Amino acid sequence: QSALTQPASVSGSPGQSITISCIGTSSDVGGYGYVSWYQQYPGKAPKLMIYQVTNRPSGVSNRFSGSKSGNTASLTISGLQAEDEADYYCSSYTSSSHVIFGGGTKLTVL
Amino acid sequence: QVQLVESGGGVVQPGWSLRLSCAASGFTFRSYGMHWVRQAPGKGLQWVAVIWYDGSEKYHAQSVEGRYTISRDNSKNMLYLQMSSLTVEDTGVYYCARSLAEWKHPRYYYYGMDVWGQGTTVTVSS
Repeated sequence: QSALTQPASVSGSPGQSITISCIGTSSDVGGYGYVSWYQQYPGKAPKLMIYQVTNRPSGVSNRFSGSKSGNTASLTISGLQAEDEADYYCSSYTSSSHVIFGGGTKLTVL
Repeated sequence: QVQLVESGGGVVQPGWSLRLSCAASGFTFRSYGMHWVRQAPGKGLQWVAVIWYDGSEKYHAQSVEGRYTISRDNSKNMLYLQMSSLTVEDTGVYYCARSLAEWKHPRYYYYGMDVWGQGTTVTVSS
């Protein structure tokens, strides 16, 4: 199964908002409300930012929000800060009881 | 505190086997499903395998099916990944992660990985 499709890179200036898309199929993103998003800094383990499409774990800033429409999930970061510069990955449960990740998006804060 | 610590990585030759371990602490290990996720150098995250909280169900990615086996010992709070017939494509950092999941008969649906270890590095090279 191919990875979920994410843009390779996105950028924004401090204070702006950016959105990262994650395109799947009806067998993963579109078929279930089990999309999650992870933030990863170089050399570090990933960190859960969003689960079940829209939910934020305790401690994650409310500047991070998630949504889904059809086979496409999205992560929006509002009020961009320098510390948001990292790699972001989407993930979904699949119809074969597996998990699939997106290819990752590098966020640059200009 | 809630913690996962991987070990067992190293440098091996193609065709060799290796067993990774993940020690859990700070939470009720037997109540959670667990994943292995890997990351090749400079590449993205790749899901490897999941095991249900009681070990009754296991699923492996197609790329490792038949070569890798996930297992757990709830009496020791340990997760394992037995890897065999290793190839250079298996090189990377291997993470264990705790699964968030909900039960909807007849299966669990995993909806996030909320605790990650620091990773252990596997290098397959001749």
